[in-house]
Amino acid sequence: GEKVEQHESTLSVREGDSAVINCTYTDTASSYFPWYKQEAGKSLHFVIDIRSNVDRKQSQRLIVLLDKKAKRFSLHITATQPEDSAIYFCAASGNYAQGLTFGLGTRVSVFP
Amino acid sequence: GGIITQTPKFLIGQEGQKLTLKCQQNFNHDTMYWYRQDSGKGLRLIYYSITENDLQKGDLSEGYDASREKKSSFSLTVTSAQKNEMAVFLCASSLDRGGISGNTLYFGEGSRLIVV
Repeated sequence: GEKVEQHESTLSVREGDSAVINCTYTDTASSYFPWYKQEAGKSLHFVIDIRSNVDRKQSQRLIVLLDKKAKRFSLHITATQPEDSAIYFCAASGNYAQGLTFGLGTRVSVFP
Repeated sequence: GGIITQTPKFLIGQEGQKLTLKCQQNFNHDTMYWYRQDSGKGLRLIYYSITENDLQKGDLSEGYDASREKKSSFSLTVTSAQKNEMAVFLCASSLDRGGISGNTLYFGEGSRLIVV
């Protein structure tokens, strides 16, 4: 089945700098790659996604890049703010039977 | 908007006990999921259901049962609680199969299981 590796377990960034989280996947059938955010003591909520028919998507300060050849996708948080501090999970769709497969999460800490 | 409600928020049980977690959603979503979140292990799918009375096993289904009594509710039973069960269980729902169709998953606040 699909396997998703999230390469950074923790990231510490200065406020205003960019944070980049990298994920790789194994199943070439994966076509949908969402990102979820989990703030301290709270549950996950969706932040942005990308589908395999594009290689870049931006929503405000979030940019997602997809490299299908390398089976790699990344989340760029630009101009980081304290409220960006959270755990971020990448996921890949796999095939129909599996549903979403999640990475292990990256804890992002934004310091002043 | 809608909401997913998980009960209880904390569930304390004894080793070997059968314990049940409940989840309700008012999004009118077809698909519901139970994930287990362990520190350092991310989210792992236990069971999901694509419609009322449907059940599909995830990667972590052994030791669990699930029940989709109606469209809005999905319950998860730990058949015999073990001390290594101490984790957070997350319920989620999506309009249809969120993974393949790209519909957003909406998560509940989580239920923390503590086994003594």
